[in-house]
Amino acid sequence: DTGVSQDPRHKITKRGQNVTFRCDPISEHNRLYWYRQTLGQGPEFLTYFQNEAQLEKSRLLSDRFSAERPKGSFSTLEIQRTEQGDSAMYLCASSLSEAPTDTQYFGPGTRLTVL
Amino acid sequence: AQSVTQLDSQVPVFEEAPVELRCNYSSSVSVYLFWYVQYPNQGLQLLLKYLSGSTLVKGINGFEAEFNKSQTSFHLRKPSVHISDTAEYFCAVSGTAAGNKLTFGGGTRVLVKP
Repeated sequence: DTGVSQDPRHKITKRGQNVTFRCDPISEHNRLYWYRQTLGQGPEFLTYFQNEAQLEKSRLLSDRFSAERPKGSFSTLEIQRTEQGDSAMYLCASSLSEAPTDTQYFGPGTRLTVL
Repeated sequence: AQSVTQLDSQVPVFEEAPVELRCNYSSSVSVYLFWYVQYPNQGLQLLLKYLSGSTLVKGINGFEAEFNKSQTSFHLRKPSVHISDTAEYFCAVSGTAAGNKLTFGGGTRVLVKP
């Protein structure tokens, strides 16, 4: 069990560019969540997957955001035409199943800075 | 809809003193409650969780929390803090109806002074 990993850890981009982040959940975890954390705030839910199916998207996820989880393994979060307001820490978490008793394990996050 | 309020944004405390971090939640359905800790430049780590049963929950690193349904609170306590407890602490709520996604409070930054 190597934990949840995220890549890259830091990303600096210019406004208008596209960026993609990757999350590798703990092996055999069926649930995968994406959260966004802005400076001085708690994480906010973005979206989640049950295996490869995306079950819910937050209103925070504008049409510039898209997430995938092909084959129910790793997940990617893409932001198109980045804006300065997208600057934040993007956190990924995974849990074994949909049971509410299952703990969500978080990765170290990807810090995005949009110049 | 669920929401979480952490009443203190920052709590300074001296080493070996007790600390209490306050958390209140609102939800129209049964909930599960969590405390996570975030050390500088690290991800969130679960301290403890309340699912059901005993309202006093013990977690890692000497932390405990008490669920109070009538006051909709889930306050976190530690009787004696160490310098290494300096971190940000987040209270969160989830529920089956919400797809088990976590709704977090704004966080409480604990600064332990020698």
